[in-house]
Amino acid sequence: EIVLTQSPGTLSLSPGDRATLSCRASQSVSTTSLAWFQQRPGQAPRLLIYGASSRATGIPDRFSGSGSGTDFTLTISRLEPEDFAVYYCQHYDTSGVTFGPGTKVDIK
Amino acid sequence: QVQLQESGPGLVKPSETLSLTCNVSGGSMRSYYWTWIRQSPGKGLEWIGYVYYSGSTNYNPSLKSRVTISVDTSKSQFSLKLSSVTAADTAVYYCARIGDYFDSSGFNYVGRYFDYWGQGILVTVSS
Repeated sequence: EIVLTQSPGTLSLSPGDRATLSCRASQSVSTTSLAWFQQRPGQAPRLLIYGASSRATGIPDRFSGSGSGTDFTLTISRLEPEDFAVYYCQHYDTSGVTFGPGTKVDIK
Repeated sequence: QVQLQESGPGLVKPSETLSLTCNVSGGSMRSYYWTWIRQSPGKGLEWIGYVYYSGSTNYNPSLKSRVTISVDTSKSQFSLKLSSVTAADTAVYYCARIGDYFDSSGFNYVGRYFDYWGQGILVTVSS
């Protein structure tokens, strides 16, 4: 089973700042199996990034994903008030699905 | 626009079976996988399992012995049963669709992703 670790656990930033979130897999994974989700308080998760670097429908271009192998990054170029949330990376292949523990982006 | 809605009891007694249904509207269930995910209070996301529209399934190994996911395309719904529940099964349960994605050319497959989610339903296990 692929284990995902995310860092940092919490990121305290101000609106307008750049956020860089990390997701590390326990072994090399295909980029076609890596996604990022955003979860705002009281809401269901929302697909942000699929295939490690493609934005899902309706996702602003301030969100970008990158990486390969075991190391992946979600970058938010300039934080908007609605971006303060928890972000999860996810791995999905034919053997199953795992989520990372999440990174909380909160207001400094 | 595809919409999913979970329904079922919000309170289940320990040792009993948790049963939830997800109603799908705004799109066909055919050719898709459908999945359940849960989130314990204040915790992260845990994948439970998925079902293909034809009925084949795949479960999280940690829950496999207690989980059954089934689908009824004629009713546009799929269901979750989790047996022998304990307080550790208290969580918000989400249903979601797993969509197939292609690159901008439309020809190169880039994987399956959880693209539409229900709002979630809180299930508490308590006597």
